[in-house]
Amino acid sequence: DQQVKQNSPSLSVQEGRISILNCDYTNSMFDYFLWYKKYPAEGPTFLISISSIKDKNEDGRFTVFLNKSAKHLSLHIVPSQPGDSAVYFCAASEGKAIFGQGTRLTINP
Amino acid sequence: GAGVSQSPRYKVAKRGQDVALRCDPISGHVSLFWYQQALGQGPEFLTYFQNEAQLDKSGLPSDRFFAERPEGSVSTLKIQRTQQEDSAVYLCASSLGGTQPQHFGDGTRLSIL
Repeated sequence: DQQVKQNSPSLSVQEGRISILNCDYTNSMFDYFLWYKKYPAEGPTFLISISSIKDKNEDGRFTVFLNKSAKHLSLHIVPSQPGDSAVYFCAASEGKAIFGQGTRLTINP
Repeated sequence: GAGVSQSPRYKVAKRGQDVALRCDPISGHVSLFWYQQALGQGPEFLTYFQNEAQLDKSGLPSDRFFAERPEGSVSTLKIQRTQQEDSAVYLCASSLGGTQPQHFGDGTRLSIL
């Protein structure tokens, strides 16, 4: 039973536009959420996180939004750049991290 | 280097052989995690150490999987009598603990023939 779901396996966005990556979870006890970025043959790299007591966290071009009532979080990247092309994983933390399946983001020049 | 280091990067073994995968965490990180990542999937939790204590091993798929971190630093994940379904990328991550983010190594790609 998947506790963290990323329903879009892939997303293609024009350079300079906004990329929006979505994630849903089922366990309301999760207290911390993270986004990771992964290039081929490398481990995931931490991007940004958010505590369950907040609804928004921003770091440069990256913003994460949390909607606790909908059990939904999203990552916004604006403006999107070619180097943002990678697989993005959301994760919910209860000590250990529970990951979604990932979304492959492609930024087109 | 300053990051999490895993070795070997690639491992090929015949079914039935034992393998050992090594993880060097970031210096000073008390928490260490092992994950298994199948192709096209997200990492799945295997086990967790806080210093030398293994606090959670609920994700280990069978008793053929064993992990240790005897001095609270380097960790080894051992798989005995390997089977084809053990083929995956094994990721190690470390953190300062609490809600601090986990930092991952580049993984060991294990292929069982």
